[in-house]
Amino acid sequence: DADVTQTPRNRITKTGKRIMLECSQTKGHDRMYWYRQDPGLGLRLIYYSFDVKDINKGEISDGYSVSRQAQAKFSLSLESAIPNQTALYFCATSDFQGLEQFFGPGTRLTVL
Amino acid sequence: AQSVAQPEDQVNVAEGNPLTVKCTYSVSGNPYLFWYVQYPNRGLQFLLKYITGDNLVKGSYGFEAEFNKSQTSFHLKKPSALVSDSALYFCAVRLHPLSGGYNKLIFGAGTRLAVHP
Repeated sequence: DADVTQTPRNRITKTGKRIMLECSQTKGHDRMYWYRQDPGLGLRLIYYSFDVKDINKGEISDGYSVSRQAQAKFSLSLESAIPNQTALYFCATSDFQGLEQFFGPGTRLTVL
Repeated sequence: AQSVAQPEDQVNVAEGNPLTVKCTYSVSGNPYLFWYVQYPNRGLQFLLKYITGDNLVKGSYGFEAEFNKSQTSFHLKKPSALVSDSALYFCAVRLHPLSGGYNKLIFGAGTRLAVHP
């Protein structure tokens, strides 16, 4: 079984809809991250969480919110989706040292 | 501002030839440097890292990378490319914790490696 899972894997939605992307991990890591990937831009950090009570904005947090429901679960929400949020979204985890991040398989989101 | 540059969008190599994927960085303080690989429809996978010590680091699948502090580079290399190495490669940098790193990775834009039979 995969250590970091994301649901859904693909989602098509319409402008203005609320969307939640979910991430679960079985690695026992405290630290979790949400990134988006756009062609030619690499990965950019949206939010990160060092534990259940510690959530921080990344470089592109506008239009997104997160919830850390448990050590193993970290959800990303788009309150009112817009087309420029069309991207590939990755969840990742690391231990406290952060010398290696473990990525989920990604969620491809299309906002029409 | 901290940044990572991968100057080549794509690198084409014949199978069996050596390959190099370039990465340069601009950060203050002492960086931690990483290479990740992304195969189609998959998440990123860790290849190797440089923290300190020997400038040549070895990683998974026969890849290695050379840290050059004076040139602020961390190029990925492999002596003999395989068709199965074809993928998207990302260089990333993390600041040393004493420089406010907080485990945040800054990624380059990625380089697509195409290995031809």
